[in-house]
Amino acid sequence: DARVTQTPRHKVTEMGQEVTMRCQPILGHNTVFWYRQTMMQGLELLAYFRNRAPLDDSGMPKDRFSAEMPDATLATLKIQPSEPRDSAVYFCASGKPGLGSYEQYFGPGTRLTVT
Amino acid sequence: LAKTTQPISMDSYEGQEVNITCSHNNIATNDYITWYQQFPSQGPRFIIQGYKTKVTNEVASLFIPADRKSSTLSLPRVSLSDTAVYYCLVGGGPRTGGGNKLTFGTGTQLKVEL
Repeated sequence: DARVTQTPRHKVTEMGQEVTMRCQPILGHNTVFWYRQTMMQGLELLAYFRNRAPLDDSGMPKDRFSAEMPDATLATLKIQPSEPRDSAVYFCASGKPGLGSYEQYFGPGTRLTVT
Repeated sequence: LAKTTQPISMDSYEGQEVNITCSHNNIATNDYITWYQQFPSQGPRFIIQGYKTKVTNEVASLFIPADRKSSTLSLPRVSLSDTAVYYCLVGGGPRTGGGNKLTFGTGTQLKVEL
């Protein structure tokens, strides 16, 4: 049963530190999404890639967030420097194009706490 | 950018049919509607997707009226294990161009009791 994996599952860090989250998409899926979930804002799309190229990162604060896909088996989301307001659960999803929109498969998430 | 709203919560009993509605007044021509289920401490899980009229799969049905400004997820004969948060997602796909934003609804907490 193919799954999206994310590491780490939990991360506690101090304000100002760099945070890197990693995602391994399902083999054969050509689209990768990064989401952030908080109680206040719900699920927000940060960025997504197709065939490793960024398609849309308009949901991401550009001054501190960056997303890359160095190869087809790894996507990364980096925050530098981190701030307490970045505390959230970050989900990666990989998708295969359907007849319409994407059918997305979500990973278990990385719970980030910035103190 | 489609703004999507859902009821915050719904209660039901085992064996009943549950209908959850999502409002998306600003839906674009190329947008599709997708529903996801989320359990605590897990990522959302795909349920069903549609563009217009009615779509049915083995777990749910999706009803979309002609104006497409809303959609209804129908869960037949719910059980305790269907207690979860349900989200609608509005947005395009690879065949409709990369410019369509993907917007999740506010989520509906469904609680199923005996």
